[in-house]
Amino acid sequence: GAVVSQHPSRVICKSGTSVKIECRSLDFQATTMFWYRQFPKQSLMLMATSNEGSKATYEQGVEKDKFLINHASLTLSTLTVTSAHPEDSSFYICSAKDFRATAKEGYEQYFGPGTRLTVT
Amino acid sequence: AQKVTQAQTEISVVEKEDVTLDCVYETRDTTYYLFWYKQPPSGELVFLIRRNSFDEQNEISGRYSWNFQKSTSSFNFTITASQVVDSAVYFCALSPWAGNNRKLIWGLGTSLAVNP
Repeated sequence: GAVVSQHPSRVICKSGTSVKIECRSLDFQATTMFWYRQFPKQSLMLMATSNEGSKATYEQGVEKDKFLINHASLTLSTLTVTSAHPEDSSFYICSAKDFRATAKEGYEQYFGPGTRLTVT
Repeated sequence: AQKVTQAQTEISVVEKEDVTLDCVYETRDTTYYLFWYKQPPSGELVFLIRRNSFDEQNEISGRYSWNFQKSTSSFNFTITASQVVDSAVYFCALSPWAGNNRKLIWGLGTSLAVNP
């Protein structure tokens, strides 16, 4: 099956620094990737939709200057949390859609294992 | 508006009991997809099932079964003879059929604890 990796799996950083999280589709090409944020004991919250070669589309309430998304290739999207603060501590999950997928497969999203960010 | 409701926040059962996780959805679309995902304590989402709105056949996969009732907009998930390894948070999700990005609409999840 399709595999999506995320790096790093865990990161601890100091307040005020920036952190970059990578999301890679390993055995397929993804024109669209999604970035989610999940707080403890809560559901996934979609932050933005990342399309290869174009600007990301952010959900309402998500600061685009705070959460920079770059989707420079068909297999890589990055999320950079700029000037991180303790309230940015969360579990960040990416997902990717195989561009070859058809309606029959439900245009299924494949999820990465997540990145746990702790800002001290 | 599209919405997924998982009314059960937490469920606790004893091993070998059967347990049903409820999912009710709202959508104006006539065609759509429904999903169930499992999220164990490690955090990684595990895909369980995808169902097309035009396919109302129930599905069984080992100890797992799903009951899709379009008339009541429900897509319930039953685990038979539960095991400790089934302890996780389970999410139901809805996706539109049409549209370029097809965002997933997530329920709040049901935390299942299976005790020995």
